[in-house]
Amino acid sequence: GQNIDQPTEMTATEGAIVQINCTYQTSGFNGLFWYQQHAGEAPTFLSYNVLDGLEEKGRFSSFLSRSKGYSYLLLKELQMKDSASYLCAVSDSNYQLIWGAGTKLIIKP
Amino acid sequence: GAVVSQHPSRVICKSGTSVKIECRSLDFQATTMFWYRQFPKKSLMLMATSNEGSKATYEQGVEKDKFLINHASLTLSTLTVTSAHPEDSSFYICSAREGGEAVQPQHFGDGTRLSIL
Repeated sequence: GQNIDQPTEMTATEGAIVQINCTYQTSGFNGLFWYQQHAGEAPTFLSYNVLDGLEEKGRFSSFLSRSKGYSYLLLKELQMKDSASYLCAVSDSNYQLIWGAGTKLIIKP
Repeated sequence: GAVVSQHPSRVICKSGTSVKIECRSLDFQATTMFWYRQFPKKSLMLMATSNEGSKATYEQGVEKDKFLINHASLTLSTLTVTSAHPEDSSFYICSAREGGEAVQPQHFGDGTRLSIL
């Protein structure tokens, strides 16, 4: 079956760095997406990785290793507004998005 | 950036009412749109994939006659929850994918919070 694993919840301190991991097992791979979802709101697109390596976009970076079926989202200089759920999603061989359950990130002052 | 508009944002209605939710891509053409349902503190659950000019593809367990989807143009898809009951209360979110490139990101509407009394 297809499976996306990410931690349920993480806690970090304002100004610090946090890494949210995602491992996947899917039938085929056409890229991995990270989305941010604040409570009660719809998800917003953060990043897309299809090749191995690190993609940097401001305070957020996303890494992919296809051989390991592994990705992480790195958030630097954490701000209180970064408190949200972070969803990992993989596009499989049929270009269907397989969603992880999301990681709730709690930022403490 | 790509903007998706979803209306209404909140609906409260009596049991037995049919509710229509609209999803529009405002600045791009969306060949494919998606309808999701999300329960509190749970992940997104794909209900159906809507393709312009053809019938929607429903996920297993989703009733086609209960959740009617129409994708009449490249910028509009609608979801109608027919004869809604309290168990249909949920957060419904649509998304749209740009152009014909299958690996483009999905852009989400703001969601519709449906409460059936």
